[in-house]
Amino acid sequence: EAGVVQSPRYKIIEKKQPVAFWCNPISGHNTLYWYLQNLGQGPELLIRYENEEAVDDSQLPKDRFSAERLKGVDSTLKIQPAELGDSAVYLCASSPEGENEQFFGPGTRLTVL
Amino acid sequence: DAKTTQPTSMDCAEGRAANLPCNHSTISGNEYVYWYRQIHSQGPQYIIHGLKNNETNEMASLIITEDRKSSTLILPHATLRDTAVYYCIVSSAGTASKLTFGTGTRLQVTL
Repeated sequence: EAGVVQSPRYKIIEKKQPVAFWCNPISGHNTLYWYLQNLGQGPELLIRYENEEAVDDSQLPKDRFSAERLKGVDSTLKIQPAELGDSAVYLCASSPEGENEQFFGPGTRLTVL
Repeated sequence: DAKTTQPTSMDCAEGRAANLPCNHSTISGNEYVYWYRQIHSQGPQYIIHGLKNNETNEMASLIITEDRKSSTLILPHATLRDTAVYYCIVSSAGTASKLTFGTGTRLQVTL
């Protein structure tokens, strides 16, 4: 079974530029999560989707971050414009309906210069 | 969700059992104890979870005290590939509940 796929794995951009991350969850998983992980810290939830609906986006900085999950499968997380403090690893995870066991992708490491 | 307290780091010799403790004294009746680990440059990986009974799977055993205020994750025969950060998380079951990751325990398995 294929795991959660994320791309790109690494991204380097200059501040004020836009950036987008893509996630393909495990087939059949209705719930999709985006997390942010700063160096030396645990992951922090940004947004959770149930199918195509964002049901928890309370931690998403909506002035510059946006996310979408069209058709309830793949998802994209965007930052526009990026700031130096956005340098981190962005993780995507998915879980089967009704279960809290989350399967994580390898993450995208973002460096903002 | 209840908070957890874990040691910052631990060492374990290869082939020996690794016992990782976690305190969760404010856990409530419907909250489970979850364990995840994160190997360097990878995403977190689910290990095991339990409510009040001890649990065992192919990766580890989870021992929860009778009062549920603490638990221990046991890796019975640690290998170098078990070197990782181990997170103990308390959460209600179901996708509606958040997994709040702390800073975890950095386990170093040595030869």
